Amino acid sequence: DTEVTQTPKHLVMGMTNKKSLKCEQHMGHRAMYWYKQKAKKPPELMFVYSYEKLSINESVPSRFSPECPNSSLLNLHLHALQPEDSALYLCASSFTTGAGGYTFGSGTRLTVV
Amino acid sequence: QKEVEQDPGPLSVPEGAIVSLNCTYSNSAFQYFMWYRQYSRKGPELLMYTYSSGNKEDGRFTAQVDKSSKYISLFIRDSQPSDSATYLCSIHNTDKLIFGTGTRLQVFP
Repeated sequence: DTEVTQTPKHLVMGMTNKKSLKCEQHMGHRAMYWYKQKAKKPPELMFVYSYEKLSINESVPSRFSPECPNSSLLNLHLHALQPEDSALYLCASSFTTGAGGYTFGSGTRLTVV
Repeated sequence: QKEVEQDPGPLSVPEGAIVSLNCTYSNSAFQYFMWYRQYSRKGPELLMYTYSSGNKEDGRFTAQVDKSSKYISLFIRDSQPSDSATYLCSIHNTDKLIFGTGTRLQVFP
């Protein structure tokens, strides 16, 4: 298995909703990442987990809450989002946070209404 | 100064052309360089991974790193319509990837 699987592929949520994005990999990678990508822009790093511990939080608002239940799973909990949070949310993984290519999932396209 | 700067394009070339995509970076300590390809509405896909200076070839793709001028390039030979995508250069900095802004490439038949 050489994939990162993200669910759901599409999500529409209201500003008062609570939802979660899920990410799964079975490549034995010990680093996992959340990126946010707006249209025609490069991905922007949100969070880094290394060996299931949060190692980088790029000053992301608290309405985004990451969770890493085990080495294969990564969640992003969403609460009270704003319309400007609408974007493609990408999960990625790598063997470690040291040098190495990342494997990205196909993303969750989130629309906040 | 941004850590990675990329020629924005867009580029439109005929099928069979040689394509050159370029980025510059600011920190001479960077050692790991990557190129990702991203199709519309998909996640980025790792194309090439290089360490330090030199060339790396994989089929029709060649990645080149010139550390003395802090310049990285991706060459695509015999370009195909299926190569139409956005190409992102990236650099590994400490525990994270930094991306260039991306170059949109269109290869027409």
